[in-house]
Amino acid sequence: GQNIDQPTEMTATEGAIVQINCTYQTSGFNGLFWYQQHAGEAPTFLSYNVLDGLEEKGRFSSFLSRSKGYSYLLLKELQMKDSASYLCAVRTGGGNKLTFGTGTQLKVEL
Amino acid sequence: DTAVSQTPKYLVTQMGNDKSIKCEQNLGHDTMYWYKQDSKKFLKIMFSYNNKELIINETVPNRFSPKSPDKAHLNLHINSLELGDSAVYFCASSQGWTSGYNEQFFGPGTRLTVL
Repeated sequence: GQNIDQPTEMTATEGAIVQINCTYQTSGFNGLFWYQQHAGEAPTFLSYNVLDGLEEKGRFSSFLSRSKGYSYLLLKELQMKDSASYLCAVRTGGGNKLTFGTGTQLKVEL
Repeated sequence: DTAVSQTPKYLVTQMGNDKSIKCEQNLGHDTMYWYKQDSKKFLKIMFSYNNKELIINETVPNRFSPKSPDKAHLNLHINSLELGDSAVYFCASSQGWTSGYNEQFFGPGTRLTVL
């Protein structure tokens, strides 16, 4: 089976930096996605990593280490609108099937 | 213009009833998915169709039957609804089934409440 772990909740201050970790144990790893989901809304795509290293996209960056089964999402210059759930999803095999972690609820405070 | 749309947005029904949820995407994608998100916000794949062909069928009760009349539509019919079926159901689509930068685009969700 597959196991994907994320912290359940995190709190950070507006303007700060926060790192949300995701660890996974899977076979046939073929990519890792991060999604953002605001309460009552659909998940929206943030980032994709398939090779080791850092992918940067504006205020958001995502890192992957395949040998360690580890990824993180880094959010800089936090804004109140970043309060949301952040979902780590692992793709395995040759297709596009995603297995999601339980999500990390991030609360940004003043 | 909505990329992935679902109807209805809310569905409240009695145990034992049969209901359908409809999904449409206007992105020209070949692959569509149904997910279930439970009360703990855990998002789990149920079904996937690629070019109208069923390619993922997770361990889902056979009361759930997906149907894809064409590549742009994927419907979900649920028979004999049970209390445990209460959840948010998300439809999603992606350009194709193969790997690569193949993000999935999600619809707004259908909140199903079974009384």
